[in-house]
Amino acid sequence: DAKTTQPPSMDCAEGRAANLPCNHSTISGNEYVYWYRQIHSQGPQYIIHGLKNNETNEMASLIITEDRKSSTLILPHATLRDTAVYYCIVRAGDSNYQLIWGAGTKLIIKP
Amino acid sequence: DSGVTQTPKHLITATGQRVTLRCSPRSGDLSVYWYQQSLDQGLQFLIQYYNGEERAKGNILERFSAQQFPDLHSELNLSSLELGDSALYFCASSPFNGVAGNTIYFGEGSWLTVV
Repeated sequence: DAKTTQPPSMDCAEGRAANLPCNHSTISGNEYVYWYRQIHSQGPQYIIHGLKNNETNEMASLIITEDRKSSTLILPHATLRDTAVYYCIVRAGDSNYQLIWGAGTKLIIKP
Repeated sequence: DSGVTQTPKHLITATGQRVTLRCSPRSGDLSVYWYQQSLDQGLQFLIQYYNGEERAKGNILERFSAQQFPDLHSELNLSSLELGDSALYFCASSPFNGVAGNTIYFGEGSWLTVV
């Protein structure tokens, strides 16, 4: 599975959009981009995933560049409860087991 | 609530002992995964089962073993425990095996403290 690069930390003001970048320049054609978050010592929470097209659900939007070498997770109206470590993971469509976890981005939402 | 249930939530035991962690996957999910997260560390994949059969192994110690039962619940057995085994152990599940876009959902974890 391809590796990802994320900034170690970011701040965002409450009520503003939080934009979390992820680089995955070696991504292969069948690899999906997944986003999870982990609020301190809780179980990782699935947020969203995508292959080529931009995706949106009730939690967030995922914007994938046309060359698929990078993506951005957007939390449209960040709240204090969105403070967490956010993980960007690329995973092959035929990968049946592992999610390879990096260090993620520590997102701090400030009032 | 992800639908993945883990018990116990917290466990304190002594070195050299053996413990069993239990996981009930989401309804209908056939795959179960176990992960370990030590203090301030990332998640390390341990092992995966699919419909009762072992499908993949990660960094699982020989002192650790797991199984998935016919009702699809899974148990992770940790024996000859050492201080360094203190960690959060997560169970996760997904519907299938090897399907594109197959999302994995995590339980809330079992805190193991070895003293």
